[in-house]
Amino acid sequence: DAGVIQSPRHEVTEMGQEVTLRCKPISGHDYLFWYRQTMMRGLELLIYFNNNVPIDDSGMPEDRFSAKMPNASFSTLKIQPSEPRDSAVYFCASSRQGTRSGYYGYTFGSGTRLTVV
Amino acid sequence: RKEVEQDPGPFNVPEGATVAFNCTYSNSASQSFFWYRQDCRKEPKLLMSVYSSGNEDGRFTAQLNRASQYISLLIRDSKLSDSATYLCVVRGVPTGFQKLVFGTGTRLLVSP
Repeated sequence: DAGVIQSPRHEVTEMGQEVTLRCKPISGHDYLFWYRQTMMRGLELLIYFNNNVPIDDSGMPEDRFSAKMPNASFSTLKIQPSEPRDSAVYFCASSRQGTRSGYYGYTFGSGTRLTVV
Repeated sequence: RKEVEQDPGPFNVPEGATVAFNCTYSNSASQSFFWYRQDCRKEPKLLMSVYSSGNEDGRFTAQLNRASQYISLLIRDSKLSDSATYLCVVRGVPTGFQKLVFGTGTRLLVSP
């Protein structure tokens, strides 16, 4: 099992540029999550998908952020235009449907470390 | 108030020590509880689930107190390799069934 694959691992960009982060979930997982981690706020859920459909995007900070999942094996998180305060580690995670009495844990990707200068 | 609160630490302990971390959560309808471990510059990984009756996995013991909305993790006989950040995690209420809420983590440093 290849795990959750994220790219790029590191991204340095200038303020105002568009940034696209990519994620390939584990095959067979029907939930995909995008998290952002900073020292100040820890891990924050931005958005999650079930069967490629966005379920909860209440964590998306503002209109500059958008996420898509065109198929079961690929998702993108886009920031346009990027700002220095977007600098953080962005994690993608996937999971499969759990029952109310059971739970399948998340598997996280290695993350993308974004620096906006 | 944050949904999940933890003491950020760091906790500095010698090898062999016993250390305990605590966590409180705000939503009494929360369904499930977990501890995740995150090594420096790595992704979080599931350490263990927390069951109502308490549960143990080797040197690790997790406890849940629903009445007080309190979760704990006890590590016995600390090893250097236990140095990491420990994240308290709560699964959302039924409408957010698959949604996990993470605490900001407690950092543990185990020294020789």
